[in-house]
Amino acid sequence: DVKVTQSSRYLVKRTGEKVFLECVQDMDHENMFWYRQDPGLGLRLIYFSYDVKMKEKGDIPEGYSVSREKKERFSLILESASTNQTSMYLCASSLFGRGNNEQFFGPGTRLTVL
Amino acid sequence: AQKVTQAQTEISVVEKEDVTLDCVYETRDTTYYLFWYKQPPSGELVFLIRRNSFDEQNEISGRYSWNFQKSTSSFNFTITASQVVDSAVYFCALSEIYNQGGKLIFGQGTELSVKP
Repeated sequence: DVKVTQSSRYLVKRTGEKVFLECVQDMDHENMFWYRQDPGLGLRLIYFSYDVKMKEKGDIPEGYSVSREKKERFSLILESASTNQTSMYLCASSLFGRGNNEQFFGPGTRLTVL
Repeated sequence: AQKVTQAQTEISVVEKEDVTLDCVYETRDTTYYLFWYKQPPSGELVFLIRRNSFDEQNEISGRYSWNFQKSTSSFNFTITASQVVDSAVYFCALSEIYNQGGKLIFGQGTELSVKP
């Protein structure tokens, strides 16, 4: 059974802390994605990666960075967390293709920044 | 520019009613893919269907059906005889064939509440 796992379901951090969100997939997928989900805004792409050590900015990369050292793992980093980064963060993966492959999602991490 | 619009923010129905979730998209590409995902209260998005731009046949899967109309740039989703387990947020998404990495453009989502 295909699986995308995220390190935490719930996380509470303080303003200014460095935050790491980890995502692991066991499907040997080339593509991995980080989204944030906010009410009324749907899912917005933060960063994605189509290969190890490759990363591309999505629509809202400001305040975030990513790391992909191994194919199965894609980390989202908040260098200095702020309250406006309180959100649900979703990781996804897919096979490399021409836009035709569905993405498989993890359960999400609900991050609260105080 | 690519855009997906789900104008219905919330829909509430009573069990056994039919319900249609609307999705309208914008793209300049002639080749693209459309998707529907379901997000139950547990939070994990579940893939429901993919449709490519050259295939305008409607699709039916059990109580679910999808109506793709290129002329109106719409890809609507109908649930027949809704059940409480259908309560979820539903997302429509668009992917263009030449986009690198298979990015999806999501709509805002429609929250469906099915009451017993």
